[in-house]
Amino acid sequence: SYELTQPPSVSVSPGQTARITCSGDALPKQYAYWYQQKPGQAPVLVIYKDSERPSGIPERFSGSSSGTTVTLTISGVQAEDEADYYCQSADSSTTYSVVFGGGTKLTVL
Amino acid sequence: QVQLVESGGGVVQPGGSLRLSCAASGFTFSSYGMHWVRQAPGKGLEWVAFIRYDGSNKYYADSVKGRFTISRDNSKNTLYLQMNSLRAEDTAVYYCAKDQSITIFGVVSNWFDPWGQGTLVTVSS
Repeated sequence: SYELTQPPSVSVSPGQTARITCSGDALPKQYAYWYQQKPGQAPVLVIYKDSERPSGIPERFSGSSSGTTVTLTISGVQAEDEADYYCQSADSSTTYSVVFGGGTKLTVL
Repeated sequence: QVQLVESGGGVVQPGGSLRLSCAASGFTFSSYGMHWVRQAPGKGLEWVAFIRYDGSNKYYADSVKGRFTISRDNSKNTLYLQMNSLRAEDTAVYYCAKDQSITIFGVVSNWFDPWGQGTLVTVSS
């Protein structure tokens, strides 16, 4: 079955830049999406269609894509950005599929 | 604003059944597909099922196919998930989510926005 691979954890100091990667063979052909989930809360969409930012999401959140890897970048990380981040995409070889990455815990030191 | 409120979670014995509901408001429910996504305790997100805006097509994860049924009542703005033959591994918080999608060159891409607050299902004897 199709998989999206994320690093389990990323740590940065406040004000630095955090980069979270997501790798998958179908990513050159499928958009990727990113969700932020804080403890005890539902996920929130922070990036859609690889690099678009929904209204209400701070400008420090950005997304990019290169080949089989997509990247969520958080510039000028703040303490409130500490959360789990999940990428999501699809397997273009099946009729219908939705796949999530395993998630990355962002720790703000 | 868009609001999704799940209900129906609880404790059920292995082999038992449960029906979850998701009450939608703040948007034209009958115009959007809807999803169920679950999250086992301390684990990541797992997509469960999708239903088109008119109920004409339904898709399931392999892990629940044949046991779970997604449905909707557009007159009541409500999404459902009927869960039968429940197993311990079905223990999770179940979220409903509004579908957003785009089709480019015949390829459909879906995402979830927003999500409900979730309802906990515990399968245990």
